[in-house]
Amino acid sequence: KQEVTQIPAALSVPEGENLVLNCSFTDSAIYNLQWFRQDPGKGLTSLLLIQSSQREQTSGRLNASLDKSSGRSTLYIAASQPGDSATYLCAVVITNTPLVFGKGTRLSVIA
Amino acid sequence: KAGVTQTPRYLIKTRGQQVTLSCSPISGHRSVSWYQQTPGQGLQFLFEYFSETQRNKGNFPGRFSGRQFSNSRSEMNVSTLELGDSALYLCASSTGTGVASYEQYFGPGTRLTVT
Repeated sequence: KQEVTQIPAALSVPEGENLVLNCSFTDSAIYNLQWFRQDPGKGLTSLLLIQSSQREQTSGRLNASLDKSSGRSTLYIAASQPGDSATYLCAVVITNTPLVFGKGTRLSVIA
Repeated sequence: KAGVTQTPRYLIKTRGQQVTLSCSPISGHRSVSWYQQTPGQGLQFLFEYFSETQRNKGNFPGRFSGRQFSNSRSEMNVSTLELGDSALYLCASSTGTGVASYEQYFGPGTRLTVT
């Protein structure tokens, strides 16, 4: 059974810092991995999708990497801003199965 | 392009009642999935529909059911509500061919409170 773990569960950083969020999964036979952002009480916003054949994806200040062999993905946020404060979730897909989510990392960026 | 829409956004029901939630996917998306989010369990998969057919089902009791219409809109129903059904119910759509192989786009959710 696929399990997804995100560490740390919560993180507080001063504005301007570069930071890394971690995601690990137990079954390396994934089809893709997706990073989401969730603001309190709201739905999920897709940030980045990495296919199993890719090593990384970039969007603006965000960069996500994928290492299937070690069962790990990282989300790098450059020059963090207070508007980045949210919960970040990663989710993996094995073919013919639904998304399996981690519990998320709650990020606070202090001005 | 309009995003995924869910109605209603908030709902308060009493134990024993039933409830129906609605989801309209992004235009052109044929796959709709439903998830339940609670503080304790996180996000848990309920079911996935593609072309009016249920393709996957999560580990929830039979009180939870769903369907998809020919226009890809989907509804989920919960009968005989329990206090533990209080949660944020999220719907996601994708262009996938019946498997969650493509980027998932989520709606804002329906916040259900059971009293």
